Amino acid sequence: NAGVTQTPKFRILKIGQSMTLQCAQDMNHNYMYWYRQDPGMGLKLIYYSVGAGITDKGEVPNGYNVSRSTTEDFPLRLELAAPSQTSVYFCASSYSPGQGGYTFGSGTRLTVV
Amino acid sequence: ELKVEQNPLFLSMQEGKNYTIYCNYSTTSDRLYWYRQDPGKSLESLFVLLSNGAVKQEGRLMASLDTKARLSTLHITAAVHDLSATYFCAVVAEGNKLVFGAGTILRVKS
Repeated sequence: NAGVTQTPKFRILKIGQSMTLQCAQDMNHNYMYWYRQDPGMGLKLIYYSVGAGITDKGEVPNGYNVSRSTTEDFPLRLELAAPSQTSVYFCASSYSPGQGGYTFGSGTRLTVV
Repeated sequence: ELKVEQNPLFLSMQEGKNYTIYCNYSTTSDRLYWYRQDPGKSLESLFVLLSNGAVKQEGRLMASLDTKARLSTLHITAAVHDLSATYFCAVVAEGNKLVFGAGTILRVKS
């Protein structure tokens, strides 16, 4: 009963490097989300997906890209890491609107130096 | 665009005291969530409120929803140290997206 699995848990990147944060869910949820949480702040939506092949921007999409080739996976790509992307990243998933709650992953703590 | 405001942002309480956290939101929504987050951890779901007048209670925490006022409250009764955490409210926006408040850091002092 894994729920939402995020990897890696921690990562240090140098400015300009690229990486992909992985997110997988095993609940057959249609909706998936990426949030970032800066220290002492609430969560801000980066991108979301309502199903395989469909993605859309959230509140803070700049510097990120996503894809959703399967129902289970929703990777987040950072192309040219910047110090402003130092944050904790949470992936979440849910069923269709009005059905059930949201399940959050354990987070990825990213530091860009 | 849906905005969610919480207050206070920081709350220092004595054990045994009562207090309320407020969550205001700017546009109509059909669901509101309360989450708890411990330092370095993910979010733990506390309550989901679905309709006007909804009230839910779990232990020393009670949440309520007034959709007409666009206001939810999280009431803490007889606080204990174990309740120290950050509490978030989150409102469902168009597209089934969760919009979060900034969070309330609660510290319960013995």
